[in-house]
Amino acid sequence: AQSVTQLGSHVSVSEGALVLLRCNYSSSVPPYLFWYVQYPNQGLQLLLKYTSAATLVKGINGFEAEFKKSETSFHLTKPSAHMSDAAEYFCAVSDGAGGYNKLIFGAGTRLAVHP
Amino acid sequence: DAGITQSPRHKVTETGTPVTLRCHQTENHRYMYWYRQDPGHGLRLIHYSYGVKDTDKGEVSDGYSVSRSKTEDFLLTLESATSSQTSVYFCAISEGGANYGYTFGSGTRLTVV
Repeated sequence: AQSVTQLGSHVSVSEGALVLLRCNYSSSVPPYLFWYVQYPNQGLQLLLKYTSAATLVKGINGFEAEFKKSETSFHLTKPSAHMSDAAEYFCAVSDGAGGYNKLIFGAGTRLAVHP
Repeated sequence: DAGITQSPRHKVTETGTPVTLRCHQTENHRYMYWYRQDPGHGLRLIHYSYGVKDTDKGEVSDGYSVSRSKTEDFLLTLESATSSQTSVYFCAISEGGANYGYTFGSGTRLTVV
C-alpha cells in the first residue's frame, strides 16, 4: 500500500536560509507525488506535483522538489526563506492509477520562519 | 480560484445529534472527496465519490455517511456525533482523479460538545 512519511513535524529556519522539508514515500506503482501548502485557517493549495515527466519539479513561490527513485524521496526545497513561507506543508502520494485513486497524505510539517 | 465552497464554516453541536456538512462545486468535476484533518495525522480520507450516486468508503468512514444526488453537491453526514469527530473537515474535487491533484475547499471546523 502507498504511504508517505514526512520527517520532522516542525522545522524552523531564519529568513533568507535554505528551506528543506523531507518526504519519503512507499508505492507499489510508479508514483504521482504532490506537495501542498496550508496557511492558517485556509484550505490546502497545490505547490507542485511530480507525474514522471521530469525528476526536478518547479512549483509556485520559488519552491521545487526532486524525485529520487533510489531513495524513495521527494524533498521540498527553497533557496531563500521568506516570512510569508510560514505555513504547514503536506506531502501526498496517489494510491494508484486511473480515476478511482485517492491521495494519501503525510502528517505534515509546520515551517516557522524567523527574522 | 476553483469554485468549491463548504458550509457551514464553523459548527458546534452536541453529542448524539446528526450533523450534515455540505460541499458545493461549480467546476463540474466528477470526483469529490471528504477528508478530516487532525493534528499529527495529516488528512485522512472519509468517503469519496466518482459520480452521481457513486460513492465509496475511505480509511476512517465509521460513523459517517455521504450522498451525492447531483454532480455539484457532496454531503457528509455524521449520523450521531461524538467528541472524537471534533475536527476540521475538508472537501476536495478533482477533474480526473487523484493523479490530477485536488482543489480543496476552505474547510468546516466542527466541535462536538
